[in-house]
Amino acid sequence: EADIYQTPRYLVIGTGKKITLECSQTMGHDKMYWYQQDPGMELHLIHYSYGVNSTEKGDLSSESTVSRIRTEHFPLTLESARPSHTSQYLCASSELSSTNTGELFFGEGSRLTVL
Amino acid sequence: KNQVEQSPQSLIILEGKNCTLQCNYTVSPFSNLRWYKQDTGRGPVSLTIMTFSENTKSNGRYTATLDADTKQSSLHITASQLSDSASYICVVSDRGSTLGRLYFGRGTQLTVWP
Repeated sequence: EADIYQTPRYLVIGTGKKITLECSQTMGHDKMYWYQQDPGMELHLIHYSYGVNSTEKGDLSSESTVSRIRTEHFPLTLESARPSHTSQYLCASSELSSTNTGELFFGEGSRLTVL
Repeated sequence: KNQVEQSPQSLIILEGKNCTLQCNYTVSPFSNLRWYKQDTGRGPVSLTIMTFSENTKSNGRYTATLDADTKQSSLHITASQLSDSASYICVVSDRGSTLGRLYFGRGTQLTVWP
């Protein structure tokens, strides 16, 4: 079992609300990621971080923002949720080293529904 | 364009039967290929990793193969169990940067019936 946790697991909110999806890992991994996953589609990288105070946008344009104030914590925030944000959000982490073979350790996901 | 294509999109088999899932990729340069298993409502978990020099690797009832020349990989599941019902995702890493970039397939949804 990977030591990476996401909350909430499920969230149903109305349009225009601000939401924060939490992600924490206890493995001491430097690199953390947020992926968006829709049914039958591949995972799309929306944000990643190499370490504290480092954040980068991923391949998929997203209106969300992230922060990395502590190594173990990588929250994702939507200032004003819309129905198009309805999706499954997966947080992951990995070691940052030249010998890293790239294994990702995923949380259980946060399923967001915006009405 | 770097891509990862998986087939079939979905598969239904009876418990105890074997099956093979396919992954074709065009990612170049190539570093490694991983198969992940994703149970419904959970995050993906790595099953096995294949590097350029490896042809076959087993993890219990799961056996992965890699043909780097044809850029194809397969995941063979032997004596399937109900708990094998899941989505199986192929992920390829390139050598384009020190840290590598990941390319995800859309997954094969496997259902095992009793």
